[in-house]
Amino acid sequence: NAGVTQTPKFQVLKTGQSMTLQCAQDMNHNSMYWYRQDPGMGLRLIYYSASEGTTDKGEVPNGYNVSRLNKREFSLRLESAAPSQTSVYFCASSDFPGLSYEQYFGPGTRLTVT
Amino acid sequence: GQQVMQIPQYQHVQEGEDFTTYCNSSTTLSNIQWYKQRPGGHPVFLIQLVKSGEVKKQKRLTFQFGEAKKNSSLHITATQTTDVGTYFCAGLLGEYGNKLVFGAGTILRVKS
Repeated sequence: NAGVTQTPKFQVLKTGQSMTLQCAQDMNHNSMYWYRQDPGMGLRLIYYSASEGTTDKGEVPNGYNVSRLNKREFSLRLESAAPSQTSVYFCASSDFPGLSYEQYFGPGTRLTVT
Repeated sequence: GQQVMQIPQYQHVQEGEDFTTYCNSSTTLSNIQWYKQRPGGHPVFLIQLVKSGEVKKQKRLTFQFGEAKKNSSLHITATQTTDVGTYFCAGLLGEYGNKLVFGAGTILRVKS
C-alpha cells in the first residue's frame, strides 16, 4: 500500500496563478484533511472532509477550495495564489469514525508563491 | 486562535540527557495524540491517550494525559541522535471529535 500520496512535491507559482494540489489514499479511510505548515505555527487545518460527499472549513480556509472527488481523493485548489500562501501543504487521512483516530500524512507539497 | 499551546519551542540536549515537552489546551480534549516529524519529513503518529490520568510508555518515551484532560507531556529518557525532530501534540476537538488541533511543536536537537 502506498498510504497517502500527494502531487506535486514542489511547485513555484507567480502571484495570481492558480493550481490544484492532489491527494489520494489507498487505506479506505473515511476522513481526509488538508493542513499547511509554517515555521513556528505547527500544522493548521485548512479544510477537511469527514466522509465522501462532505467538506468543512478548518482554521484557515480563506483563499482555498477543496473537492472530495471520491472516497480516495481530496484535492486542494488555490484560485489566485498569494505570497502568504507560501508553505508546506500536507494531506492526511484517518479512519474516523472508527477504532483509531490517528492521522496518516502524505509526504507534503512545498509551494512557493513569488 | 491556537487552542493548544506547546512548550518549549526548541530544546538542544546532550546525548544521554532527558527531554520533556508539554502541551496545554484551553478546552477539555476528547483525546490527545502525539506525532514526530523528522527534518524534511512528514508527521508520523506516535500514540493516542484517551483516559484521564493515562500514562503510556514506548521504550524510552513516556506519555501522560492530565486528570482534567487539558494537558499532556512527552518525556524521553536518555536521548539518542535518532530522537532528533519536531514533536507535536494534537488535541481532538470538534462537534464530531474528528478535528485535530496541533500545538506549534517542540524542535529537539541532540548533540553527540
